Amino acid sequence: AQSVTQPDIHITVSEGASLELRCNYSYGATPYLFWYVQSPGQGLQLLLKYFSGDTLVQGIKGFEAEFKRSQSSFNLRKPSVHWSDAAEYFCAVGAKSGGFKTIFGAGTRLFVKA
Amino acid sequence: NAGVTQTPKFQVLKTGQSMTLQCAQDMNHNSMYWYRQDPGMGLRLIYYSASEGTTDKGEVPNGYNVSRLNKREFSLRLESAAPSQTSVYFCASSESGSGELFFGEGSRLTVL
Repeated sequence: AQSVTQPDIHITVSEGASLELRCNYSYGATPYLFWYVQSPGQGLQLLLKYFSGDTLVQGIKGFEAEFKRSQSSFNLRKPSVHWSDAAEYFCAVGAKSGGFKTIFGAGTRLFVKA
Repeated sequence: NAGVTQTPKFQVLKTGQSMTLQCAQDMNHNSMYWYRQDPGMGLRLIYYSASEGTTDKGEVPNGYNVSRLNKREFSLRLESAAPSQTSVYFCASSESGSGELFFGEGSRLTVL
């Protein structure tokens, strides 16, 4: 069975500073990895995904993530945070077993200070 | 383009009452999902349907039933609601193999 750990419940960064959100996964086979963002009162939106190939993946809104198999990690990064990035971020791992089953981490809430 | 539509958006129940959450998608996706979101616990998968005619349990299926009515619709039923089922419920759909989930806006359920 797959599982996801996001060690940081919340993070505060200054506007313009860099950001890294941590994600560790557990899955026996090659994982399908995702980052989603949720603004208050909204559903989730996909930021980026990793299935195979280049371990550094680019997403929307200037986000990127790096898959490191040796560390079972898929950390999300952004070089310069904007106030509009304040939201909750979820890492997820997917498995193909009949259908496509996706399990989410507990989330990291990002606060951006001026 | 509506995407994934959930009804109702808000519901208050008394313990022991039953209700059904409805979900419909207009993207012709094969797979549909029900998640619940609770503070500090992220989203937990209740049930999913890989394709029309199939359903499978997720992480937290107890107390719930689902019906994949057709390719568009996937309903979640609480037969006897309990306070522990107070949560925000999200329906999602995806194209088989793509992995990307498209979410509805959520349904907030309170069980008193």
